[in-house]
Amino acid sequence: EAQVTQNPRYLITVTGKKLTVTCSQNMNHEYMSWYRQDPGLGLRQIYYSMNVEVTDKGDVPEGYKVSRKEKRNFPLILESPSPNQTSLYFCASSFLADVSYEQYFGPGTRLTVT
Amino acid sequence: SQQGEEDPQALSIQEGENATMNCSYKTSINNLQWYRQNSGRGLVHLILIRSNEREKHSGRLRVTLDTSKKSSSLLITASRAADTASYFCATFGGGGADGLTFGKGTHLIIQP
Repeated sequence: EAQVTQNPRYLITVTGKKLTVTCSQNMNHEYMSWYRQDPGLGLRQIYYSMNVEVTDKGDVPEGYKVSRKEKRNFPLILESPSPNQTSLYFCASSFLADVSYEQYFGPGTRLTVT
Repeated sequence: SQQGEEDPQALSIQEGENATMNCSYKTSINNLQWYRQNSGRGLVHLILIRSNEREKHSGRLRVTLDTSKKSSSLLITASRAADTASYFCATFGGGGADGLTFGKGTHLIIQP
């Protein structure tokens, strides 16, 4: 089954404790992206990747890191989480060659930083 | 940066009625897409309309695009309780590689 998976689905952590949210897709998509969703703000892009070893900042990259060592994986790293990073996070992927950029979304990771 | 803005923010209708949501955007686009999100879950792609198209249908969905007004509408006909969700428009500019820009969404409630 074609899908985007994220882990963990729920995470409660404390300020400053490094964490990684994993994202994996099995559709051989070149393009992958991370979004955060906050009430009243909709979805905002954090980082995106056009292909392996190619990443770039989205609209709200501060406090986040990403890496793309393999085509299927695009982990989101919070080196020193803060309470303002409490949010619902989504990973998404799509084919780059398809100019429609129709994106497939993962189920989301709800992160709480205390 | 945020581009699409949906209107209304929330909409409550009776089952069987039609639901219309609007989206306005600011810059030129390659295409505009609509997504649905059930509470707390991932977004699901509904329909895409390209900049050279004016109207598109998919089942009970009808999307229109007016590039001169930089606006789009999503019509859901004969609504069902299962249509209760948030609906987002997203624009793809085509000139860059940063993918889709989402609006803040319309929360649709279908009352049985």
